[in-house]
Amino acid sequence: GNSVTQMEGPVTLSEEAFLTINCTYTATGYPSLFWYVQYPGEGLQLLLKATKADDKGSNKGFEATYRKETTSFHLEKGSVQVSDSAVYFCALSDHQTGANNLFFGTGTRLTVIP
Amino acid sequence: SAVISQKPSRDICQRGTSLTIQCQVDSQVTMMFWYRQQPGQSLTLIATANQGSEATYESGFVIDKFPISRPNLTFSTLTVSNMSPEDSSIYLCSVAIGMGAFFGQGTRLTVV
Repeated sequence: GNSVTQMEGPVTLSEEAFLTINCTYTATGYPSLFWYVQYPGEGLQLLLKATKADDKGSNKGFEATYRKETTSFHLEKGSVQVSDSAVYFCALSDHQTGANNLFFGTGTRLTVIP
Repeated sequence: SAVISQKPSRDICQRGTSLTIQCQVDSQVTMMFWYRQQPGQSLTLIATANQGSEATYESGFVIDKFPISRPNLTFSTLTVSNMSPEDSSIYLCSVAIGMGAFFGQGTRLTVV
């Protein structure tokens, strides 16, 4: 089946620190992988995505590389800001099954302190 | 992209009552999804709603508890029926466009 395992939080970092949030997946087919972000009081927003192996998604200084050999899609940012404080969700969509619904990880809450 | 308006944004309801959540999209979409996000947990798909056909429910969710309407390509409703405190969650509407999914801001439901 399809599932996503995500690093548990919460994560607290100082401003300008390096961020890694681990995400691994299992899928029956060839999934697309996503990171979504939920800022306080707001809805889910797509942060970045990758649709095939070795693709790198990037946005707002965040990056994640689709690693088929390790079934991973770790989120990284070189220097976090207070405004990055949010909950981050790793997700996959397994198009081979014909479905467009998303399977989510449990979410990781990030707090960045000045 | 898509802009999704969901309402109400929050509600406090008595157990045993029902609440209908509305989801309006600014473009026509074939598939709409309803998710639940229980406190401290991830999102779980409740059902997929296609216009003109019955919604498809995921394991653990049934139509009698979560009836869904999809009268046209821009609108859907989810009803949470005969509510209990265990139904306290955030309910989110989502649409799939291309390789991405877009979400409404969610409805925060508290059942007392």
